[in-house]
Amino acid sequence: NAGVTQTPKFRVLKTGQSMTLLCAQDMNHEYMYWYRQDPGMGLRLIHYSVGEGTTAKGEVPDGYNVSRLKKQNFLLGLESAAPSQTSVYFCASSYFGRREKYEQFFGPGTRLTVL
Amino acid sequence: DAKTTQPTSMDCAEGRAANLPCNHSTISGNEYVYWYRQIHSQGPQYIIHGLKNNETNEMASLIITEDRKSSTLILPHATLRDTAVYYCIVLHTPLVFGKGTRLSVIA
Repeated sequence: NAGVTQTPKFRVLKTGQSMTLLCAQDMNHEYMYWYRQDPGMGLRLIHYSVGEGTTAKGEVPDGYNVSRLKKQNFLLGLESAAPSQTSVYFCASSYFGRREKYEQFFGPGTRLTVL
Repeated sequence: DAKTTQPTSMDCAEGRAANLPCNHSTISGNEYVYWYRQIHSQGPQYIIHGLKNNETNEMASLIITEDRKSSTLILPHATLRDTAVYYCIVLHTPLVFGKGTRLSVIA
């Protein structure tokens, strides 16, 4: 199993450009998440999904859109990139959010620079 | 939402036990404490979790005080590969990460 994979690994954009980050998981997880991590900071939740066709806003959703058309994929879109969106983006997935055993599996991250 | 407080950084000698404290004084009765770690630039990794009782697995031990207001993650024999940022999280789904404790294991 590949676990959680992210595409691309690195990307440099100019201000105003758009792009889509792809997250894929092969563990048949219901839940998927997108986080961003700025230097020296913890992870902040952007958007998440509790199942195919559903999405919800997290802590910092502005400037991003997401789609979950297939259970195994979760896409994060930047319509008009800004320098403030320079960050490392992590995708994660998990089974149902049971308190007793709740483990999120993370991808390797995408390093995005917006000039 | 219960918040957690952790020291910003800690050092530990290689081979010694690393004890990482976490304060969660506002935790409610049915909230679990989870620990994750993030090794340089990688995605966070699950370590251990608990509700009331002490827990142990192949990676670490978790000691939760009787009043559940604080806990300690113990890495019994720290190695250089344990150098990472350790996050103590009172469980909400999705996970909410603070700044964690940066543990440096020193040879």
